[in-house]
Order: sequence, then C-alpha cells, then structure tokens
Amino acid sequence: QVQLQESGPGLVKPSETVSLTCTVSGDSITNNNYIWAWVRQPPGKGLEWIGTISSRGTTYYNPSLKSRVTISVDTSKNQFSLRLSSVTAADTAVHYCVGLFGAGRPRFWGQGTLVTVSP
Amino acid sequence: AIQLTQSPSSLSASVGDRVTITCRASQGIATALTWYQQKPGKAPRLLIYDASILESGVPSRFSGTGSGTDFTLTISSLQPEDFATYFCQQFIGSPFTFGGGTKVEIK
Repeated sequence: QVQLQESGPGLVKPSETVSLTCTVSGDSITNNNYIWAWVRQPPGKGLEWIGTISSRGTTYYNPSLKSRVTISVDTSKNQFSLRLSSVTAADTAVHYCVGLFGAGRPRFWGQGTLVTVSP
Repeated sequence: AIQLTQSPSSLSASVGDRVTITCRASQGIATALTWYQQKPGKAPRLLIYDASILESGVPSRFSGTGSGTDFTLTISSLQPEDFATYFCQQFIGSPFTFGGGTKVEIK
C-alpha cells in the first residue's frame, strides 16, 4: 500500500518561496503506473489542483499558478516536491500530495500540511 | 476553465436515507469525473472514478452515473460514517477543477 507524507515549513513570509516535500513509501516513485500531484485547500474552502508530475518527469501546472510553481522528483529519495514562489496570504492552505493510479484516479493522499503565509 | 456546479450545497438526511448529489459541468467531459468524500481535518478519499467505477474498498452503497455534462453520486442507504462533504472533480480540461462541495449533515 502506497503511503505519502508531506513535510515543509508551516509558516512562510509574504513574497518568499515555500518548498514542500512528499515522501513516498510502499512503492517506487518511478513506477510508471503512478502520476504524482499536489492539491491545496484554503481553510474552510474548496480544493484546487496545483499540478502533476509523471514518473518520467513530465509536468502539468494549473495555469493560474504556472508562473510560480515548480514540481520535481528526486528518485534517489523516493520523493517529489513543490516549490511555490512569491507567496501571499491567498496561498495559505492545507497542501496535499497525491498519488494517481492512472489518470483520473487519485487513489493515495498524504495527510496534508498547512502552510500559513504571514509576516 | 471547466466549471463544475454541485447541488445541493448542503443537505440534511437520516441514517438509512437514499441521498443523491449532482455535479454539472459547464461543457462536456465524457466520463472524466471523480467523486471524493472528505471529513473534517482529513484528506479527501477517492470514492468513484471515470464517473461510475467504484474505487477498491469503497462500500457498494456508493454509486456514480452520468456522462457529458450531468453526473450523480448516490448513497443508497446513508450510514453514520457517511456524514461528510462530497466533491466532484473533472480530469479532462485544463486545469482539473473541483466542484464546490456538498455537505451531508445529520437530520
């Protein structure tokens, strides 16, 4: 069973860059059956798809965030990461890492990590 | 972007009730629709993908139908553990958008 665990700073200042990491256990991040993704949810609000990365490193980003987002994979550590630059209060959200077992099947979710943007 | 409109936004129901939630897409998305359940403080849980395929381990009281623009999630007999918020999501248009959610509360 694949398990995902997010890690990263809980508090970031406006205009800074936040980096989050998702550690994958239970299978190899290079398994072609999976696509890896990040999703976020502002407190008390709905869900927003941030972007995805395939096992081969092909990325897709939400156009609304594309200029500020980078998703990458570190196969040596079985991790994938999210970098979001120039953060504002609007980026305050619980961030989830997700493993899709095929397109359209987000089967595995991390527990989520809250990123708060505040001076 | 493809808009997904869920209705109702909330509902009250009793244990044993049949519950239906709808998700309407602003343009045709074939069957590229996923349904999730989310409880407070928890990550979403995948219930149904490809509009009607039940994810492994999900009780059979959950079912999904639809294609094109109109989709439904049905809980045939509501159980105490089903009180939660339900979201739909489309996987065909960029960006992959979510519905606004339907909160199912105890009557």
